[in-house]
Order: sequence, then structure tokens, then C-alpha cells
Amino acid sequence: LAKTTQPISMDSYEGQEVNITCSHNNIATNDYITWYQQFPSQGPRFIIQGYKTKVTNEVASLFIPADRKSSTLSLPRVSLSDTAVYYCLVGDFAMYSGGGADGLTFGKGTHLIIQP
Amino acid sequence: KAGVTQTPRYLIKTRGQQVTLSCSPISGHRSVSWYQQTPGQGLQFLFEYFSETQRNKGNFPGRFSGRQFSNSRSEMNVSTLELGDSALYLCASSFRTDAEAFFGQGTRLTVV
Repeated sequence: LAKTTQPISMDSYEGQEVNITCSHNNIATNDYITWYQQFPSQGPRFIIQGYKTKVTNEVASLFIPADRKSSTLSLPRVSLSDTAVYYCLVGDFAMYSGGGADGLTFGKGTHLIIQP
Repeated sequence: KAGVTQTPRYLIKTRGQQVTLSCSPISGHRSVSWYQQTPGQGLQFLFEYFSETQRNKGNFPGRFSGRQFSNSRSEMNVSTLELGDSALYLCASSFRTDAEAFFGQGTRLTVV
């Protein structure tokens, strides 16, 4: 599994765009990049997944450069309720699920704090 | 439709006791995975069940076990509890291996 590195914490303000970058230098050809969000005392929630270039859904955008060695989760116009831990996961397509028989591998995540 | 349901939400046990946690997956989901989350170690994979069969297990001692029933509901058991077993235990279900996983709210276990 590719090792991921992301900032331990970030601060921002309501209404701002927040970008969280994840480094994954050893990403393999078959690997996808997936982001999860977790609120305190709740289970993680899938946000977005991508393979290359840009992916956008109703919640976020994911930017992946051509070399795929990093990716950036972009949250537009954040609110206080976006305060959470964000995890970047890298793995093959089975990672989109519960990780299949091997489970999902979560790192330490980025603790995003949104202030008024 | 109903999400993943974990019971109980909170539990306090004494060292040496055993505990059983329950997970009801989303209707139709056949894969159930269990995770342990602690402040020090983060989220760690315990094991995964699919159609009543344990397909893999994470790096946890044999005190941690589980099972899955024919209706896909799953239970995990921890015997001879230790203080270090205090954690949030999360269950995730998915329709099949290559489908999105949905997590429950977890069971907060405190061992005293």
C-alpha cells in the first residue's frame, strides 16, 4: 500500500475555500485516491475518489496532477460543520469498498478546524 | 433506507471481562468489516466478513474474534479485556467488495 502524508491540522474560516494536500510518492498504477471525512464519535464517511486529473461532486473536488504523486482535496466555501478529520487513502479499486478482505488503511488524517 | 446500526453505543467493562458488540449492516449488504479507533493508533482494521466467512484479519491478538450470521448481521467479541482495549469500535458494510463502504456510528468501549 502506498504511504500517504498529509498535514496534521489546518485552520480556516467560514466561507473560505480549503485545500488539503496529500502526498503519495509510491502510488501504484492501479491505485485510486479516496478521501474520507470523520466527525468525533462517528464513523468515517466517503467524500470523493479519483484516479487522475479532476473529479468533482456536490461536496468537494479532487485535483490529481499528471504524476499522481500528490492530490488535493478542495472544499468550497466551508462552514463550521466542516470541522472534522479528513483522511487520504490510496489503494486499488477494492479500496473503494470496505477495502475488501484487507480492510481500509487509514493514516493519521488532517484535523480541519473552521472558525467563524 | 436505514444505515449501519451498532449496539450498544456506549459500554463500560472491567478488566478481565469479555464483551460482545453488534453490527447490523445496511439491508442487502453482505460484507461487514470491523475497525478499532484509538487516539494513539488511529483507525485499524480488525477483520472482514463476507457471507458468513471471515476473509481476513488485521494484526490483533486472538482475544478479538467475530462472526457473521446468515442475515449478514455481525458480532465481534473481545475476551479478557485490557485497559488498552478502550476504543471506538466501528463497523462498515458494503454490498460487495468493490462497492462503497458505509460506517456505523460506532460503539465506545471503556475498560476500567
